[in-house]
Amino acid sequence: EVQLLESGGGLVQPGGSLRLSCAASGFTFSNSAMTWVRQTPGKGLEWVSTISNSGSRTYFADFVKGRFTISRDNSENTVHLQMNSLRAEDTAVYHCAKSRLGTTSPFDYWGQGILVTVSS
Amino acid sequence: DIQMTQSPSSLSAFVGDRVTITCRASQGISNSLAWYQQKAGKAPKFLVHAASVLERGVPSRFSGSGSGTDYTLTISSLEPEDFATYYCQQYYSTPYTFGQGTKLEIK
Repeated sequence: EVQLLESGGGLVQPGGSLRLSCAASGFTFSNSAMTWVRQTPGKGLEWVSTISNSGSRTYFADFVKGRFTISRDNSENTVHLQMNSLRAEDTAVYHCAKSRLGTTSPFDYWGQGILVTVSS
Repeated sequence: DIQMTQSPSSLSAFVGDRVTITCRASQGISNSLAWYQQKAGKAPKFLVHAASVLERGVPSRFSGSGSGTDYTLTISSLEPEDFATYYCQQYYSTPYTFGQGTKLEIK
């Protein structure tokens, strides 16, 4: 059974940093691209970032480019989202998702999500 | 960026009804279209990819169709467990974008 478990969320002040992690199990992690998608009541689902299976290619939404980085550890079956220079508008539930095939494919499994709140 | 316009934003229907949700892309996406179902407090569930290919285990009452810029998700006969929010998503090009969602409620 595929499982994706996010951790690392919480309350952070504007301008602060947070590192999200996603622990994956139940599939061959090193074969799958991985993605972070965030969700808010107002904007719905927003794609944030994708990393290829090897980690050699990364992609970011414009609204996080230069502030967020994505990385993975295929020996530990984990993917990370380092979030710097956080803004109030980054407040959201962040979901980790597995890509069905490569980086240009839909997301066939999602984690429950972790809440990130950016507020003073 | 490719904009995904989903309609309706909400829909009330009876168990047994046939419902259709529409998603329009701002440019052609060559059937690179997925549908997801999300229930309150849960992770989205993957239903359809390539516009019309049902994910394994998805009931056959769900079907997807479309081409070019216009796509639909149809549920042929609603079951109680189908009441949820549905999202379309294009994966043709980054930034991957989602429709705003259709909340399907019991009448």
